[in-house]
Amino acid sequence: NAGVTQTPKFRVLKTGQSMTLLCAQDMNHEYMYWYRQDPGMGLRLIHYSVGEGTTAKGEVPDGYNVSRLKKQNFLLGLESAAPSQTSVYFCASSGNWATNVLTFGAGSRLTVL
Amino acid sequence: QQQVKQSPQSLIVQKGGISIINCAYENTAFDYFPWYQQFPGKGPALLIAIRPDVSEKKEGRFTISFNKSAKQFSLHIMDSQPGDSATYFCAASRGSSNTGKLIFGQGTTLQVKP
Repeated sequence: NAGVTQTPKFRVLKTGQSMTLLCAQDMNHEYMYWYRQDPGMGLRLIHYSVGEGTTAKGEVPDGYNVSRLKKQNFLLGLESAAPSQTSVYFCASSGNWATNVLTFGAGSRLTVL
Repeated sequence: QQQVKQSPQSLIVQKGGISIINCAYENTAFDYFPWYQQFPGKGPALLIAIRPDVSEKKEGRFTISFNKSAKQFSLHIMDSQPGDSATYFCAASRGSSNTGKLIFGQGTTLQVKP
């Protein structure tokens, strides 16, 4: 009964370092999304996937890469972290694009120094 | 380019009062308008949603009002309670895109004072 699990919950990086955020869902959902949340900016879509092996760009994809090798996992990578990527990252999944009910994880807070 | 604009950014309401949050959208192809509620340290969760074939939807103390011609929709929280204190996001999506992706507003932080 876990839903959407994000790891790690907190991470501090230095500028230029790389890291990967992992999102795992146990609801057999087809659709998965990565959002970032910043004060006054709301939730902005970074990348999304409509099924295993597929990925697509969202509103703010620059500086990020994603992979969906397994249906239950959606990875968000930062190749060379920048202070502008300091944010709270949320993963979400949906079983049906028509009903559009997104189930969110608890978030991953990333600080880039 | 903000496709969904939300206001106010923050709102303080007395217990028992009415909280009103407004959103405006630009893309007339949007056909699904949900509201999400987020408590501190948690991810957002669906609160209530509406499609443009109706002008109002009510679930308990929460009501969405929708004005298609003005491209606006709003969330009304009646008899606001301290437990309603949270951040609220409006969102919109285009069903014909078959992607399910939601475009969110900037968020409103609601504080309900006892």
